[in-house]
Amino acid sequence: GQQLNQSPQSMFIQEGEDVSMNCTSSSIFNTWLWYKQDPGEGPVLLIALYKAGELTSNGRLTAQFGITRKDSFLNISASIPSDVGIYFCAGINYGQNFVFGPGTRLSVLP
Amino acid sequence: DAGITQSPRYKITETGRQVTLMCHQTWSHSYMFWYRQDLGHGLRLIYYSAAADITDKGEVPDGYVVSRSKTENFPLTLESATRSQTSVYFCASSATGEETQYFGPGTRLLVL
Repeated sequence: GQQLNQSPQSMFIQEGEDVSMNCTSSSIFNTWLWYKQDPGEGPVLLIALYKAGELTSNGRLTAQFGITRKDSFLNISASIPSDVGIYFCAGINYGQNFVFGPGTRLSVLP
Repeated sequence: DAGITQSPRYKITETGRQVTLMCHQTWSHSYMFWYRQDLGHGLRLIYYSAAADITDKGEVPDGYVVSRSKTENFPLTLESATRSQTSVYFCASSATGEETQYFGPGTRLLVL
């Protein structure tokens, strides 16, 4: 079946630093989604991308839908302690199941 | 409050007991999903439902039973709980199978 890979698996950064993470697949997707899961909570949608090449921002977060439709990227600028959590990408391919990546675990050091 | 809720939030049970986890959504979404989340595995789909009385297996359905008699509810039953079913369970819903899924807060289940 379709699978998504996320990298890095985990990262430790200093408060104030920028963060980049990505999600890749061997399959094409029509929609890319980025979720964040705070400790002890369910995943919450951050950004949705619907078109190849699309660049969308949500505050300090910026995500891009890759031109090949096989990848997506999430950047966080000027990280703060509340950015801690697990970031999941998800892909939707019309007619297929919703596919989640394994997540990137972000830790922010003060 | 509108949204998607799960109950109980925490549950401890013993091996062999039957456990039912509840999920309720107020958006009238057609699709509902059950996932389990374990360290090292991310989110794995257990079952999903496209509408009332329509359910289908996901990636890891063994040991679980679902029903959907009403659009807003999607209970998940562990008929005879095993220790390997200790996990965090998330329910989600979406308007269609090809749209954003919205998640509940999760149920943390411990099987002793």
